[in-house]
Amino acid sequence: QVQLVQSGAEVKKPGASVMVACKASGYTFTIDNYFIHWVRQAPGQGLEWMGTINPSGSRIIYAQNFQGRVTMTRDTSTSTIYMELSSLRSEDTAVYYCVRTHGYWGQGTLVTVSS
Amino acid sequence: QAVVTQEPSLTVSPGGTVTLTCGSSTGAVTSGHYPYWFQQKPGQAPRTLIYDTNNRHSWTPARFSGSLLGGKAALTLSGAQPEDEAEYYCYLLYSGVRVFGGGTKLTVL
Repeated sequence: QVQLVQSGAEVKKPGASVMVACKASGYTFTIDNYFIHWVRQAPGQGLEWMGTINPSGSRIIYAQNFQGRVTMTRDTSTSTIYMELSSLRSEDTAVYYCVRTHGYWGQGTLVTVSS
Repeated sequence: QAVVTQEPSLTVSPGGTVTLTCGSSTGAVTSGHYPYWFQQKPGQAPRTLIYDTNNRHSWTPARFSGSLLGGKAALTLSGAQPEDEAEYYCYLLYSGVRVFGGGTKLTVL
């Protein structure tokens, strides 16, 4: 069965960067139509799409709100997708999810930004 | 950027039927927007109920169905159960960019 397992919770200071990992299993990772999306949810708020990457890395699209601050990469040898968010501010405190095409979700990673 | 609109809140009686909708500021929603529907209960990660307009997952109860209705994407719940009380989100695709709606809080009362 398709599984996405994310890295653990992080606490960061304002201005720092965070990298969240999403390890995929249970399917052929290299099928290029199976994009991984990143979605975040701030406390008490709705869902926000951050961007997407395909397994080959040939197609990467970032949401306008995160352009210049987010980088998505992948490691096909470990079937892992990474999302790095830089210049963190308190408003970036949220649960970050990876989601595969057809809607398979990771368990979420809490990122807390606090001085 | 496009804006995706959902009803902020809806109420349905147990056993009743309700339709949630997902509209687009750019015009009619079509299958080319590849609508998804997600359910989220307090303290839990979202889970996908419907993808690509009307495809259910193995875990999606048969009482949920997706469609296009009146220029919008629609999620119909037929025979509501108390456990269906949750927040429901849709998202649409616009040339590679996904946009979420603001969510619908569904109360079963």
